[in-house]
Amino acid sequence: GEDVEQSLFLSVREGDSSVINCTYTDSSSTYLYWYKQEPGAGLQLLTYIFSNMDMKQDQRLTVLLNKKDKHLSLRIADTQTGDSAIYFCAEPAWEAGSYQLTFGKGTKLSVIP
Amino acid sequence: NAGVTQTPKFRVLKTGQSMTLLCAQDMNHEYMYWYRQDPGMGLRLIHYSVGEGTTAKGEVPDGYNVSRLKKQNFLLGLESAAPSQTSVYFCASSPPRGEQYFGPGTRLTVT
Repeated sequence: GEDVEQSLFLSVREGDSSVINCTYTDSSSTYLYWYKQEPGAGLQLLTYIFSNMDMKQDQRLTVLLNKKDKHLSLRIADTQTGDSAIYFCAEPAWEAGSYQLTFGKGTKLSVIP
Repeated sequence: NAGVTQTPKFRVLKTGQSMTLLCAQDMNHEYMYWYRQDPGMGLRLIHYSVGEGTTAKGEVPDGYNVSRLKKQNFLLGLESAAPSQTSVYFCASSPPRGEQYFGPGTRLTVT
């Protein structure tokens, strides 16, 4: 089947903006999620967007959703060294009658001081 | 609330040995999942459960078994470990249609 696609690596300088892109598969997805994984830790929900929204802003985070192109992006303003992590986008999927999340392979964000 | 906990945090096994990974959640979630994470592969679903007493296969179930005897616990078993099972294992739980909450992971090395 189709995959949730993300680029694997992104490197930015401290203070710059980071933009992490994701292409998902199901135009009828109700929610789309961004998870963050810090080194040596599990995934934590960073933010999410409901499918009837085009944009969601939460402090330094901006999520943009283009339903026509099935494209999701996460912008981090004023990127800090503490933002260095792997970022996963995820979309819901129904598999064998149960609700699951399909994850992209993750984008590793490296912040250069 | 402790959220999702996993034991052990680290383990080294020899080829052919068996072990059980324990996942526990205190959020009364119906759904629980086991994933493995390998470099460049992202997260791959091993098995999942939609309720106490039920389990189902995910994307990469071979070589693993699971049990969900209690709602709060989800066990992942390796009957005969192989080097290809060297990985970081994550457990997660969720309500029926909602975000997943992840444990801190178990790093397993099979020599």
